Amino acid sequence: AQKITQTQPGMFVQEKEAVTLDCTYDTSDPSYGLFWYKQPSSGEMIFLIYQGSYDQQNATEGRYSLNFQKARKSANLVISASQLGDSAMYFCAMRAGANNLFFGTGTRLTVIP
Amino acid sequence: EAQVTQNPRYLITVTGKKLTVTCSQNMNHEYMSWYRQDPGLGLRQIYYSMNVEVTDKGDVPEGYKVSRKEKRNFPLILESPSPNQTSLYFCASTFFGTDYNEQFFGPGTRLTVL
Repeated sequence: AQKITQTQPGMFVQEKEAVTLDCTYDTSDPSYGLFWYKQPSSGEMIFLIYQGSYDQQNATEGRYSLNFQKARKSANLVISASQLGDSAMYFCAMRAGANNLFFGTGTRLTVIP
Repeated sequence: EAQVTQNPRYLITVTGKKLTVTCSQNMNHEYMSWYRQDPGLGLRQIYYSMNVEVTDKGDVPEGYKVSRKEKRNFPLILESPSPNQTSLYFCASTFFGTDYNEQFFGPGTRLTVL
């Protein structure tokens, strides 16, 4: 069975600081993909970053990077130089097998001025 | 513009009154799915479709129906809505079978069942 765990219901970070949002996963499928989505208060789901299970390097997209530790089954999102607009709900998700995505319960990030 | 559209965006209805939430994508994606989002539970998949006339249950299918008669459309049907179906619903689509397959989400439909 596939499972995604986000243990931080809420996080606070000072503006311009870096923050790490935790995500662990469990799957027996050797081929899988890990995603992070941002959901601002307006409700839409915004794709941030993707990491494939066979990718050798950690994914990066601008200020977002994914700290992928395969042996630990973790895929933490690192946001550098936090901005007020980063305040949102963040979801980690995993695709395994077909295209079905399994989501964690989310982490609400608040950036403090 | 590549997008997934959902209608309506907001709906308040009463128990037992059949409703349909439409979903349409213009990217020629084979795969489409429906999710519901509830506080503390994240997004859970309701139904998915890998192509026209091919649909299957997700994690929480009870009380829902879907159909896929055309590639671009994937409506979600609640035959007899109940208050526990009050939720935020998302439709999503992607190409099927690629390794990197970002799912494109619709804007969401906020449903309240009284």
